[in-house]
Amino acid sequence: QKEVEQDPGPLSVPEGAIVSLNCTYSNSAFQYFMWYRQYSRKGPELLMYTYSSGNKEDGRFTAQVDKSSKYISLFIRDSQPSDSATYLCAMRNGGSQGNLIFGKGTKLSVKP
Amino acid sequence: SAVISQKPSRDICQRGTSLTIQCQVDSQVTMMFWYRQQPGQSLTLIATANQGSEATYESGFVIDKFPISRPNLTFSTLTVSNLSPEDSSIYLCSVGVGQGRYGYTFGSGTRLTVV
Repeated sequence: QKEVEQDPGPLSVPEGAIVSLNCTYSNSAFQYFMWYRQYSRKGPELLMYTYSSGNKEDGRFTAQVDKSSKYISLFIRDSQPSDSATYLCAMRNGGSQGNLIFGKGTKLSVKP
Repeated sequence: SAVISQKPSRDICQRGTSLTIQCQVDSQVTMMFWYRQQPGQSLTLIATANQGSEATYESGFVIDKFPISRPNLTFSTLTVSNLSPEDSSIYLCSVGVGQGRYGYTFGSGTRLTVV
């Protein structure tokens, strides 16, 4: 079993839809959870960061972490064509600047 | 958070040669991280570079193939040596935000094609 599993998609939605992206993980030691957005031919851009369990909201984006289920989600409300990108989940344990473990990324396309 | 300038953005190299990738950070950071992103795969950590000490390599990566320099707290280079087509990937450097407590910032990446 891989440490982090993420459905690669592709996922295609109409503009204005609510998008749900998810990752599951196996290592219960993970404490820090991140979502990155990566446009084609660009480096990953940090979107959301969460420590331990709970929800975090930033504009149209909401990140959720359920440590009991080892499951994290990113919700995008009122999706826009500019949201079309690959979304990567990443996580690490509580050690000092430990190795980030990434999912493979989900490719999202928002159609106008 | 820190801003990273990475170059070159892309290169096409002959097999058997080497490519050196540079990353410049606009603030001093203790650790810099080098990742590889192969097509359709997760980002994979190659090594962690600390200033003034040898880099720490992850399983499957060796210093002879991926030598790293870290001459000061704002700069690092990764060399990919003795290139083969299997080395064709995107290479990325990264630094921690708040020493990793608030996420990580990435450079824009170097797209390497080996022919």
